Amino acid sequence: AQSVTQLGSHVSVSEGALVLLRCNYSSSVPPYLFWYVQYPNQGLQLLLKYTSAATLVKGINGFEAEFKKSETSFHLTKPSAHMSDAAEYFCAVSPMDSSYKLIFGSGTRLLVRP
Amino acid sequence: KAGVTQTPRYLIKTRGQQVTLSCSPISGHRSVSWYQQTPGQGLQFLFEYFSETQRNKGNFPGRFSGRQFSNSRSEMNVSTLELGDSALYLCASSLWGPTDTQYFGPGTRLTVL
Repeated sequence: AQSVTQLGSHVSVSEGALVLLRCNYSSSVPPYLFWYVQYPNQGLQLLLKYTSAATLVKGINGFEAEFKKSETSFHLTKPSAHMSDAAEYFCAVSPMDSSYKLIFGSGTRLLVRP
Repeated sequence: KAGVTQTPRYLIKTRGQQVTLSCSPISGHRSVSWYQQTPGQGLQFLFEYFSETQRNKGNFPGRFSGRQFSNSRSEMNVSTLELGDSALYLCASSLWGPTDTQYFGPGTRLTVL
């Protein structure tokens, strides 16, 4: 079965520092991959998605992610953290088996220190 | 364009009761998915509907059911509530399904006492 692993339930960075949130997936066939962000008391918002068009995917709010098939990874980065980036981030996969669902990782809470 | 709306936003029920949650998708979206979010289990897929047909259901007991109407609005029902059903229930809509960009509603916070 497909699975998604997010390393680190909490990541803390200083404002202006690099943000790196890790995501690995298990699949022999590259699935569709997504990063979502959830702010307190809100639903999820799509940051970016990979659909095999390009390995480096740019999203909203300055985030980007690189698909690496050899490492089965899809890590999320942002060059310079802002206080407003503090939120919970979820990596998700949609299997290529017409299962019509998203499988989410356990989430990483990003803390941004002033 | 209006976003995904979920009603009610908050619910308090007691064990054994049943509850119905509603989701109105973005206009033109035909796919509606439901997810349960808890601190212990994270985000788990409940079911997905497209044009009134359930295309997939997650690993939840039969107490969890749903449906979609011809206007794409969807409801989910939980019967015989248990304490463990306390969660944030999220609805998401998209044009064709979960591989599209999914737009999530704010969720319904269900508390079972």
